[in-house]
Amino acid sequence: SQQGEEDPQALSIQEGENATMNCSYKTSINNLQWYRQNSGRGLVHLILIRSNEREKHSGRLRVTLDTSKKSSSLLITASRAADTASYFCATAMDSNYQLIWGAGTKLIIKP
Amino acid sequence: GAGVSQSPRYKVAKRGQDVALRCDPISGHVSLFWYQQALGQGPEFLTYFQNEAQLDKSGLPSDRFFAERPEGSVSTLKIQRTQQEDSAVYLCASSLDSVRGGYTFGSGTRLTVV
Repeated sequence: SQQGEEDPQALSIQEGENATMNCSYKTSINNLQWYRQNSGRGLVHLILIRSNEREKHSGRLRVTLDTSKKSSSLLITASRAADTASYFCATAMDSNYQLIWGAGTKLIIKP
Repeated sequence: GAGVSQSPRYKVAKRGQDVALRCDPISGHVSLFWYQQALGQGPEFLTYFQNEAQLDKSGLPSDRFFAERPEGSVSTLKIQRTQQEDSAVYLCASSLDSVRGGYTFGSGTRLTVV
């Protein structure tokens, strides 16, 4: 069973615009991770944020975490056509190695 | 190698056939995971190894599924008497540290049971 829910399920924006995806989860966590998956390819780890962190940046990516609301957001700034992919959040619960995944957000960047 | 390698990339099996899926993790990575991903869904956990020890196999859907990692490096996921509902992408991931994450995934094996 999946813990996370991504919102929206699909997002289509123009190149250069910012894209925001949200993730909600149900139980307490050790960390939350975001991954990208291009069509027919494996998952690529983007960023990990720990439960005691509120915000993290990596290049054009910005992730926030609100443990009181059990939610996270991924912001991609100045989107590019190459950002077209599905984006998944995955949570690792306390002292647990298993990742629990959402169903993903499908992002399409129109040139 | 530089990444996690999975083979074959694609496998078509007739219902009832046995299949074996291989995962070659990043050298030195202690933790190895198998996930199953249905079309349009996120991955679902199958099993976890720390070196050669299978510490968790709670996600394996039935006793037709079997995984091993005998020397703590290459792992094989075997599915016996395949059924149509086994059709999915099977993803392998490895990590230096299982708790801290993040994981490096292979490109997966797309299994189609006909």
